[in-house]
Amino acid sequence: GEDVEQSLFLSVREGDSSVINCTYTDSSSTYLYWYKQEPGAGLQLLTYIFSNMDMKQDQRLTVLLNKKDKHLSLRIADTQTGDSAIYFCAETPGAGTALIFGKGTTLSVSS
Amino acid sequence: DGGITQSPKYLFRKEGQNVTLSCEQNLNHDAMYWYRQDPGQGLRLIYYSQIVNDFQKGDIAEGYSVSREKKESFPLTVTSAQKNPTAFYLCASSIVSSETGELFFGEGSRLTVL
Repeated sequence: GEDVEQSLFLSVREGDSSVINCTYTDSSSTYLYWYKQEPGAGLQLLTYIFSNMDMKQDQRLTVLLNKKDKHLSLRIADTQTGDSAIYFCAETPGAGTALIFGKGTTLSVSS
Repeated sequence: DGGITQSPKYLFRKEGQNVTLSCEQNLNHDAMYWYRQDPGQGLRLIYYSQIVNDFQKGDIAEGYSVSREKKESFPLTVTSAQKNPTAFYLCASSIVSSETGELFFGEGSRLTVL
């Protein structure tokens, strides 16, 4: 069945780059997503990438997609303490269906 | 401002009691979803509804029930049959015809069973 895997923790220093990795299993996924969750809050969409793209850049965020290996990554440049949160990778099996989420990567940024 | 409102934010209940979590959206979205979040387990889908008066079970529907009598509302009842109900519950909505399939989330409800 569909599955999305992420490492659970990442710790970086302020100003460094953070790279959060994700693997997924459903090769028919049209869009892949990165969501951010701050403590005690809901999830907010950070960015998404269409499956026919290799890369998408949005200010400090860079998303890389390797469709052959079913690997997605999120790079945050110049990481700030405000970036500390849980980051979820998600895929959609098809139009109008619920997203499938990974377990989330907790990013801890130290000053 | 348009958005999704979940209430209550915190809820305590005794074992054996049913409890209903509210989810209301004014985004005019067709589809609504309930997810459960446990530490280290990510989000797991409980129920979802793509249209009024219709809903489908997700991966962990046992011990839960929902209704979708109005487009704006999708309440979740946690019944006494749910063996381990203490968790953070998230409601979301989306436009069924959306190209991107993006979900919009509420701020969550934390249920603690005493």
